[in-house]
Amino acid sequence: GQQVMQIPQYQHVQEGEDFTTYCNSSTTLSNIQWYKQRPGGHPVFLIQLVKSGEVKKQKRLTFQFGEAKKNSSLHITATQTTDVGTYFCAGIGGNKLVFGAGTILRVKS
Amino acid sequence: EAGVVQSPRYKIIEKKQPVAFWCNPISGHNTLYWYRQNLGQGPELLIRYENEEAVDDSQLPKDRFSAERLKGVDSTLKIQPAELGDSAVYLCASSRNRGYGYTFGSGTRLTVV
Repeated sequence: GQQVMQIPQYQHVQEGEDFTTYCNSSTTLSNIQWYKQRPGGHPVFLIQLVKSGEVKKQKRLTFQFGEAKKNSSLHITATQTTDVGTYFCAGIGGNKLVFGAGTILRVKS
Repeated sequence: EAGVVQSPRYKIIEKKQPVAFWCNPISGHNTLYWYRQNLGQGPELLIRYENEEAVDDSQLPKDRFSAERLKGVDSTLKIQPAELGDSAVYLCASSRNRGYGYTFGSGTRLTVV
């Protein structure tokens, strides 16, 4: 079945440093979504990418969808302590939205 | 608008006991999902409803899990009997349809002892 893999599993950065998490699917995706889950919280929808090669920005966050629609990335510029949490990608292939295992981001101030 | 409401927030039960979770989705959201999230993992789909119809329940362990969505609004997820391995957070989510982002509820943290 469809699998979505995320790397790294965990990243600890100094406040002000950049952060990137990568998402790879075993199959071509119709779209990909990104979610953020704060410690003890629930996933919160950030964005959806649909088009091949699409790039979207939300303030310090940049999201990319690969040309082959099998990979995606989330880049945070100049991390802040409020960025702490787990970032999940979730891909729709066929009829299912499958979540990756997430990347845990910790920020040292 | 009000978010997705779930109850209870926490539940501790002994194994072999039944348990039920309730979800009220965002008004107007036709699609409702139940996910299970184990510690350190991403959410895994249990069942998806389009209005009152369960259109994807392939991941639902049907020997002990059941779900319903009466009148296409509220939904309940039941486990009977619960096993130790069912300890997890059960998340309900809704969306306008499958092409939109999901809004998750706060979840029910189930502990089976």
